[in-house]
Amino acid sequence: AQSVAQPEDQVNVAEGNPLTVKCTYSVSGNPYLFWYVQYPNRGLQFLLKYITGDNLVKGSYGFEAEFNKSQTSFHLKKPSALVSDSALYFCAVRSFGYGNNRLAFGKGNQVVVIP
Amino acid sequence: DTEVTQTPKHLVMGMTNKKSLKCEQHMGHRAMYWYKQKAKKPPELMFVYSYEKLSINESVPSRFSPECPNSSLLNLHLHALQPEDSALYLCASSQRGGYTFGSGTRLTVV
Repeated sequence: AQSVAQPEDQVNVAEGNPLTVKCTYSVSGNPYLFWYVQYPNRGLQFLLKYITGDNLVKGSYGFEAEFNKSQTSFHLKKPSALVSDSALYFCAVRSFGYGNNRLAFGKGNQVVVIP
Repeated sequence: DTEVTQTPKHLVMGMTNKKSLKCEQHMGHRAMYWYKQKAKKPPELMFVYSYEKLSINESVPSRFSPECPNSSLLNLHLHALQPEDSALYLCASSQRGGYTFGSGTRLTVV
């Protein structure tokens, strides 16, 4: 089985401050990890993914995430939040392996950036 | 072309209607998915097609009927839906660990 946990329901941050959205995962074997963002009434937009390689992954719109195997975490970060970053953020995981297409999503975090 | 295109963007249907949702991708991805998403909740997997064959059906009611006519196209046929089926329906495709989502169809059942 594979799963992710996003422990917070909502993250509030002042504009210009660092933004962190937390994600921990559980998977048998090596994980594929993803972050997606969703604006109201829109589909999921891909931000970044970790499959292998460097633990620090850089993605779209200035976001990055750090894969930490010992803590089974993949927290999303942005050094300086913008009001336009206010959206719903989903962490997702699938286990590495041929034939396993199932992507498991966390519950989502609402990010509110305060002007 | 790096997109998944879903049509229509909005659909209102009565409980006795038959309608279809369409999803198209031209990235050569061989796995395609239907997800259902309620407001402020994560997407829930409904169906997975792999190489045009249905590989996963997450115990979805038979009023939802998927179809994969070819490697680029995925349909979801709807019949006799209930108001609780109102949601955002997302299509996605994947290859080599990368998943691309469409913008979704906002379905309202009246």
